[in-house]
Amino acid sequence: AQTVTQSQPEMSVQEAETVTLSCTYDTSENNYYLFWYKQPPSRQMILVIRQEAYKQQNATENRFSVNFQKAAKSFSLKISDSQLGDTAMYFCAFMNVGYNTDKLIFGTGTRLQVFP
Amino acid sequence: DGGITQSPKYLFRKEGQNVTLSCEQNLNHDAMYWYRQDPGQGLRLIYYSQIVNDFQKGDIAEGYSVSREKKESFPLTVTSAQKNPTAFYLCASSRTLYTEAFFGQGTRLTVV
Repeated sequence: AQTVTQSQPEMSVQEAETVTLSCTYDTSENNYYLFWYKQPPSRQMILVIRQEAYKQQNATENRFSVNFQKAAKSFSLKISDSQLGDTAMYFCAFMNVGYNTDKLIFGTGTRLQVFP
Repeated sequence: DGGITQSPKYLFRKEGQNVTLSCEQNLNHDAMYWYRQDPGQGLRLIYYSQIVNDFQKGDIAEGYSVSREKKESFPLTVTSAQKNPTAFYLCASSRTLYTEAFFGQGTRLTVV
């Protein structure tokens, strides 16, 4: 069974600094997608970034980038120039692609606090 | 504007009652999902639907039921058989099963 593990329940960072959130996953499949979602206090889930497993190049979206290590099954999120609005829960998610694919699997989340 | 609308935002239910949570999308997405979120846990899949008139159980379907009579709508009924229904419920949709999901703003259900 596929699993997603986020080992950091809480993280904090000072405004303008850089922070990295960790995520590991377990799968025997070769073709899949990985996502980072952000859930601010409003509780609206917002897609931050997406990575296809077949792409070697790490995805980037403005201040957000990932470090995708397929062999290590690691998918960390780096937030550069942290802003107060980045304060939120961050969820790593995995989706298999293939015959038996059917759902998005989430980790337990990392609560990020950005301090002024 | 396109999006996913969940209603109501807050819902209170007496023990033993069934209650239905609404989820509507105007994104023309084929796939729709219901997740449950509890403190300290990630999102857990209740039900999902790939297409109209078809749906599949997720990891925690017991005590819940759904229907998908229209592409735009995927209501979730929390039945009296659900032993611990107090939670935050999130509805999502995606263009297909293989693309990223977009979420509604959630419904907070409390059993009183």
